[in-house]
Amino acid sequence: DTGVSQDPRHKITKRGQNVTFRCDPISEHNRLYWYRQTLGQGPEFLTYFQNEAQLEKSRLLSDRFSAERPKGSFSTLEIQRTEQGDSAMYLCASSPKRGTPKYNEQFFGPGTRLTVL
Amino acid sequence: QKEVEQNSGPLSVPEGAIASLNCTYSDRGSQSFFWYRQYSGKSPELIMFIYSNGDKEDGRFTAQLNKASQYVSLLIRDSQPSDSATYLCAVIATDKLIFGTGTRLQVFP
Repeated sequence: DTGVSQDPRHKITKRGQNVTFRCDPISEHNRLYWYRQTLGQGPEFLTYFQNEAQLEKSRLLSDRFSAERPKGSFSTLEIQRTEQGDSAMYLCASSPKRGTPKYNEQFFGPGTRLTVL
Repeated sequence: QKEVEQNSGPLSVPEGAIASLNCTYSDRGSQSFFWYRQYSGKSPELIMFIYSNGDKEDGRFTAQLNKASQYVSLLIRDSQPSDSATYLCAVIATDKLIFGTGTRLQVFP
């Protein structure tokens, strides 16, 4: 069990540029979540997938944000035309299938810290 | 009203003491509750979950749930300086976690 991995760990970009983050969940987990965390706040839910289906998107997720999980394995989160307010830690988490042990637990990756200049 | 509320702290306790961290939630239908520990600059790490009223113990950690009062707490016995971190309370709502802002705990020698 290698844990959830995220790439890159840090990203610095200029306002208006597009960025893409990748998340690789724990191999047997079929649910994958994206959260965003700013300083002094708890993580805020953005979106989640069960296998390749995107089941829910937060109202926080503007049209500039898009997430995919094309084969039900890794996921990507893209932010178009970045703004300074997008600066945050972007966290990915995964959960095992329903009916398996720990199905309700979410395990987080190390996060991608985005800084928009 | 926020869905999950925590005192941001810092909560300062001496080494060896019991640290008590509290959390209230607004959705009376919430069923599952989680405590995560987050060190500065790192991602959250799950330390405890609780589903039933009462206490649940795991090593030095005890989670307490009172659904009637919509209250969850985490006790850390024999606190160590390495326990210094932010503790996040979270509830499950349709598969996603709703987090509080976290309580910063400082354990001093």
